[in-house]
Amino acid sequence: GENVEQHPSTLSVQEGDSAVIKCTYSDSASNYFPWYKQELGKRPQLIIDIRSNVGEKKDQRIAVTLNKTAKHFSLHITETQPEDSAVYFCAAGFQKLVFGTGTRLLVSP
Amino acid sequence: EAGVAQSPRYKIIEKRQSVAFWCNPISGHATLYWYQQILGQGPKLLIQFQNNGVVDDSQLPKDRFSAERLKGVDSTLKIQPAKLEDSAVYLCASSPTLGTTAGGYTFGSGTRLTVV
Repeated sequence: GENVEQHPSTLSVQEGDSAVIKCTYSDSASNYFPWYKQELGKRPQLIIDIRSNVGEKKDQRIAVTLNKTAKHFSLHITETQPEDSAVYFCAAGFQKLVFGTGTRLLVSP
Repeated sequence: EAGVAQSPRYKIIEKRQSVAFWCNPISGHATLYWYQQILGQGPKLLIQFQNNGVVDDSQLPKDRFSAERLKGVDSTLKIQPAKLEDSAVYLCASSPTLGTTAGGYTFGSGTRLTVV
């Protein structure tokens, strides 16, 4: 089955800096790679996603890149703000999603 | 559109007791998922339904967990008897179709279970 690894587990940046979170997956059949943001005590919220036929996707300050050959994908957040502080999960799958272990992002003013 | 509804929001039970969680997916969503999220970890799939049929329950501890989705709409997840390690948030999610062609899941607010 699919296995998703996520790094780093914790990431601290200064406001305005960029943040990068990386994930690897194992199942070449996976064709969908979403990223979720989860604030404390709340449900995971989809922030951006990418499909296997696309290499990069951008939405304002957030971008995701996918390297199918290497089986890894990354989340890039530019010009970070304190409200970006949360836990971020990557996921990969085809008929179901398997989630990574999460990255706690802390943006300091 | 209305979101995924879950109840209760919180539940505290003693070990060896039973508990049930309810989920109502987004109207028209054929696929429903139950995930278990232990504190500090990512969500782990317990069971996946397509309409009222089970697609994947390979990670469901069937000696104590059961789930059903009668009529292909609402779903109930039950734990009997509960163990301390079952303390977690139980998230329900739905998607329009089987597979990820239609995009990501929509999650409910979850039920936070504490077993003491």
